[in-house]
Amino acid sequence: AQSVTQPDIHITVSEGASLELRCNYSYGATPYLFWYVQSPGQGLQLLLKYFSGDTLVQGIKGFEAEFKRSQSSFNLRKPSVHWSDAAEYFCAVGPNDYKLSFGAGTTVTVRA
Amino acid sequence: AAGVIQSPRHLIKEKRETATLKCYPIPRHDTVYWYQQGPGQDPQFLISFYEKMQSDKGSIPDRFSAQQFSDYHSELNMSSLELGDSALYFCASSLGRSVPGELFFGEGSRLTVL
Repeated sequence: AQSVTQPDIHITVSEGASLELRCNYSYGATPYLFWYVQSPGQGLQLLLKYFSGDTLVQGIKGFEAEFKRSQSSFNLRKPSVHWSDAAEYFCAVGPNDYKLSFGAGTTVTVRA
Repeated sequence: AAGVIQSPRHLIKEKRETATLKCYPIPRHDTVYWYQQGPGQDPQFLISFYEKMQSDKGSIPDRFSAQQFSDYHSELNMSSLELGDSALYFCASSLGRSVPGELFFGEGSRLTVL
């Protein structure tokens, strides 16, 4: 069975500070890993994805994530947060790109 | 650029009624996916269609059915509605399997069952 754990339900960060969102997954084989962002009342937007290859993945909006097989983790990072990054972030894992198991999400609040 | 269009954006129904949600994929996209996101929950994959044929099935209740039409738009039909069906229903589209992971999501249709 596949599952995702996002340990942090809510994170508050100051604008300009760095951000790291944790994601741990459980999957029997090499997974497809994703990070999605959802703003209130909006659909999910893909930030980045990992299938294979380089374990450090660059995404949109200045985000990156690192796949660590030994730790079953796929943490999302951004060096300097902007107020527009306030949203809910979902980590997802699956055998392909649509039959995903999502984590419970981490809500990011950005303070001025 | 055109995005995935879902209608209606909001829908209120009574228990045991029927609801139909529509999804218009990005032009030229031939694959449509439906997800259900309950209050405070993560999205759950319901069903997908590729070239008007059902391609995969997730946790879709038997009371729900869906289809994809010749113009590639899709409709999700929900009958005998229950309170627990209240959720945000997302549709996503992609261009076949050409670029794995490139799913584009609509803004969702919020169904409230009273």
